[in-house]
Formats: sequence, structure tokens, C-alpha cells
Amino acid sequence: KNEVEQSPQNLTAQEGEFITINCSYSVGISALHWLQQHPGGGIVSLFMLSSGKKKHGRLIATINIQEKHSSLHITASHPRDSAVYICAVREYGNKLVFGAGTILRVKS
Amino acid sequence: KAGVTQTPRYLIKTRGQQVTLSCSPISGHRSVSWYQQTPGQGLQFLFEYFSETQRNKGNFPGRFSGRQFSNSRSEMNVSTLELGDSALYLCASSLDREAQAFGSGTRLTVV
Repeated sequence: KNEVEQSPQNLTAQEGEFITINCSYSVGISALHWLQQHPGGGIVSLFMLSSGKKKHGRLIATINIQEKHSSLHITASHPRDSAVYICAVREYGNKLVFGAGTILRVKS
Repeated sequence: KAGVTQTPRYLIKTRGQQVTLSCSPISGHRSVSWYQQTPGQGLQFLFEYFSETQRNKGNFPGRFSGRQFSNSRSEMNVSTLELGDSALYLCASSLDREAQAFGSGTRLTVV
């Protein structure tokens, strides 16, 4: 079993829909990261969080430390949100462990 | 402020050769991490350097090595290349384990 599990693996949405991507992990962590990767490889760090909730524009990330679960929400989705979204956890040993990613496609 | 710069962008090498990849972090960032991304294994952590010291290492064979210079620039080296080393190699920098800024990567193809 992977230390970091993401769901769904693939997600297709219509423009304007509310999107949720989930991340569960099995190890103790000091922080959780959400990353976005566009075709061509470039990765952008969206959020780093260790508790509660963070919001940036149309993106919201939440984490529940007790349940070892995090969610990334996208409100009013747009085709430019199409990308791979990757959850990564920083273990207490400080190694960063990645989920397999969620491929999101938003259709207009 | 310039982002994280990785060179070269693309590289083709022959099995058995060695390769050196370079990463220039954002000015002021002292932490540099390296990752390997393949279709089969996804993103995997290689190593992390902070102030010229390797602070953490992933589960890769000794053929993978790295170093960091006093100006925080970092290099990683892969010796005796194997076909399975074909991957996108990403470098990321941060002040010290905050949100990382990623470079565009070096795509290595081993033939």
C-alpha cells in the first residue's frame, strides 16, 4: 500500500463545476503539499499546510490531521485548470513522499 | 526574481555513460531537492541539500549522487546509466522546507 493515496485518478468535469480531489496518507507528517503539473512538466506549488484550511483564489485546501486526510477543492472550474494535481507529504524524517496524481480535465 | 533554472532541458545519453545535471536555485534559497519522475513510478525523492550538506536521501542506488556548492547551486550525477534511468529530473528550492519552487526539469533519455 502506498503511503500517499489520491482519488480519483482521473477526473473530467464541465466548466463551472465544483471539483474535489482527495488525499489520504498513512504516516506521521509535518506538512502536506498540493502541487499542480501542466503538460510539459512544469510544477507549481499550490499549498503547503499542516492544519486547517487555506484559500487562494478559486482553490481551497483542507487537512484533517487526526483522519490523515486532505482535500483540494476547485470552485467554478475552468479549462485552464486542466492539469495533474499531486499531493505530497513531508514525513517527520523530512523526506517528501508523493501521491500518484489526479489527472483533471475541464471541458468547456 | 529569477526562478529555479535547470540545465540542460533535454539530454540523450547511451547506456553505461554518466551524466551531470545542474540546478540554480532562486536567489537566497539554501535548500535544494532533487526528484525523479517516470510514468511508472511517478515522482520520487532523490536527495536534499542544505548549506552544502546532504540532509536527506531517498531510496536510490549509489549511482545517483549530488552535491551543493557554496552559492547554493546544485548538481546531480548519475553514473553507469541504465535504460530505466530515463526520466524527468526535477530540482526544487526553498528557504528551508517551506513551499518549494520547482524548475522545469531535465528530460533524460538513455538509449
